[in-house]
Amino acid sequence: QVQLQESGPGLVKPSETLSLTCAVSGYSISSGYYWGWIRQPPGKGLEWIGSIYHSGSTYYNPSLKSRVTISVDTSKNQFSLKLSSVTAADTAVYYCARHLGIISHFDYWGQGTLVTVSS
Amino acid sequence: EIVMTQSPATLSVSPGERATLSCRASQSVSSNLAWYQQKPGQAPRLLIYGASTRATGIPARFSGSGSGTEFTLTISSLQSEDFAVYYCQQYNNWPPEYTFGQGTKLEIK
Repeated sequence: QVQLQESGPGLVKPSETLSLTCAVSGYSISSGYYWGWIRQPPGKGLEWIGSIYHSGSTYYNPSLKSRVTISVDTSKNQFSLKLSSVTAADTAVYYCARHLGIISHFDYWGQGTLVTVSS
Repeated sequence: EIVMTQSPATLSVSPGERATLSCRASQSVSSNLAWYQQKPGQAPRLLIYGASTRATGIPARFSGSGSGTEFTLTISSLQSEDFAVYYCQQYNNWPPEYTFGQGTKLEIK
């Protein structure tokens, strides 16, 4: 059973960098597939942030590309998100998820973690 | 960017009845479309991918259809646990830029 679990600070100050990690269990990231981040502002819809392959190839939402870095640590079986220069508009529940190919749906999701941007 | 538009925003249906949700893409996405169910405080759950293939463990009352720009999710006989928000998502273009619809809230009539 594949499981994903997000972790990181729940409160980030404006202009700082949001950092989250997604720990994967039940599947080795080194075996393949793609791993992504999606966010959902309170009461709103879903927005794809970006994805990474186990080799390190990354793909980002053009609207966030200048502020996003996604990395993978296969030794720890986890991948991470960094979003710089955050504002209140970045307040959201952040989900990590798996997708089978670069052109694919998301089949397994983490439970999500709320990150609030506030001073 | 491919824009996904779902209708209606809210759908009120009685238990046991059929629900039909629509999703339209601003340009063709072939059959590269998924449907997700989201309940309050939970992560989205994959229902349908490839426009019409049910994900593992999804009951047969859920069905998807369509291709190109027009898609439909049908729930044949609504159960109490089906009342939730439903999102469509396209995954067609390259470089990848996955986009979701704004959601349809399915509520009890």
